[in-house]
Amino acid sequence: NAGVTQTPKFQVLKTGQSMTLQCAQDMNHNSMYWYRQDPGMGLRLIYYSASEGTTDKGEVPNGYNVSRLNKREFSLRLESAAPSQTSVYFCASSETWESPLHFGNGTRLTVT
Amino acid sequence: TQLLEQSPQFLSIQEGENLTVYCNSSSVFSSLQWYRQEPGEGPVLLVTVVTGGEVKKLKRLTFQFGDARKDSSLHITAAQTGDTGLYLCAGVSYGQNFVFGPGTRLSVLP
Repeated sequence: NAGVTQTPKFQVLKTGQSMTLQCAQDMNHNSMYWYRQDPGMGLRLIYYSASEGTTDKGEVPNGYNVSRLNKREFSLRLESAAPSQTSVYFCASSETWESPLHFGNGTRLTVT
Repeated sequence: TQLLEQSPQFLSIQEGENLTVYCNSSSVFSSLQWYRQEPGEGPVLLVTVVTGGEVKKLKRLTFQFGDARKDSSLHITAAQTGDTGLYLCAGVSYGQNFVFGPGTRLSVLP
């Protein structure tokens, strides 16, 4: 049982480049989330998808876009990377909005 | 905006010692969760507390939810090196998304 799978694990981008972070879950969860984690700031919600076909902004959505491709997959896109987007990105899923979150192992992104 | 504060930010103790970490907010939460995160991995759920005043035990870990559902504590008895990690609390309110605290980084030395 893989749980939540994120790819890639590491990525280095130059300012202005674009990339897509992939996330897939095999638990048949309805809700999926993208967080970023920065030292001393905890996990901050970027975007979420409460159910297949819906997406909404979280606390820090600027510079990002998302796609809920189907019930299993939720991708995060950086159209024009900036150094401020250097962070560790986590995808998570849950059965409902208040159910425990199941996290992937993260993508460490560096933007130079 | 809901905020969760955690204290202490860092804690370094010897194996066998007891410790308590705190999670505080001015907001009321419908439930609160504690996660542990190890280097290079995502957070993993330890416990969910729902009722004000609730106490839950998970082996040597004791979790308490405040009576007013605004705060929580995690007490570890006889800490072991395997308890080392980042402890995160997360609160959720009706119709809202989870809010995470900044975490307490615990180091248990042999």
